[in-house]
Amino acid sequence: NAGVTQTPKFQVLKTGQSMTLQCAQDMNHEYMSWYRQDPGMGLRLIHYSVGAGITDQGEVPNGYNVSRSTTEDFPLRLLSAAPSQTSVYFCASSYSGQGALGYGYTFGSGTRLTVV
Amino acid sequence: KNEVEQSPQNLTAQEGEFITINCSYSVGISALHWLQQHPGGGIVSLFMLSSGKKKHGRLIATINIQEKHSSLHITASHPRDSAVYICAVDLQGHGNKLVFGAGTILRVKS
Repeated sequence: NAGVTQTPKFQVLKTGQSMTLQCAQDMNHEYMSWYRQDPGMGLRLIHYSVGAGITDQGEVPNGYNVSRSTTEDFPLRLLSAAPSQTSVYFCASSYSGQGALGYGYTFGSGTRLTVV
Repeated sequence: KNEVEQSPQNLTAQEGEFITINCSYSVGISALHWLQQHPGGGIVSLFMLSSGKKKHGRLIATINIQEKHSSLHITASHPRDSAVYICAVDLQGHGNKLVFGAGTILRVKS
């Protein structure tokens, strides 16, 4: 099915461990982004990419790395997990730029991460 | 002050009622989105607006660019409409950078 696929759906990490959250889309969207959702805070942008080879920081980038080697994939890396990174993470994609007006965002189903 | 404010934070309605959720923003935008999130579920895009009004089934979204305000209306509400409704804006001049409201938790009782 066309859409945004996130894996894993659930993950428990110990403090200091590293891991990668995977995000893949098959809609040929230029724009991909990662958000975290915390109770009472709403969704916040972590990192985003407007195309292969181009990434930039969002509102809360510290502790996270990204890369965009292909149009389809946009993994999010936690280098040394901390309890403050316990959250639900969503990946989203869309067509890019002002020409994308009229197109919305497609979100993945989310990854629930707990850091103990 | 948050750049995107939603009201109310919580809303309980009886089945069949007309529901309005409001969104105000304080920044320049290129578009505004209404999203729906069911408990434990993913996020679905309902509407993307840059002006005027859009309708899809029982859902209607309006935006007033001059007043920096948008509303999401649900007609003939149903328990399956129970969800969190989130307003988000694309910041003007920043491509696709989204800023989100905190969400409105809607419960429709039968």
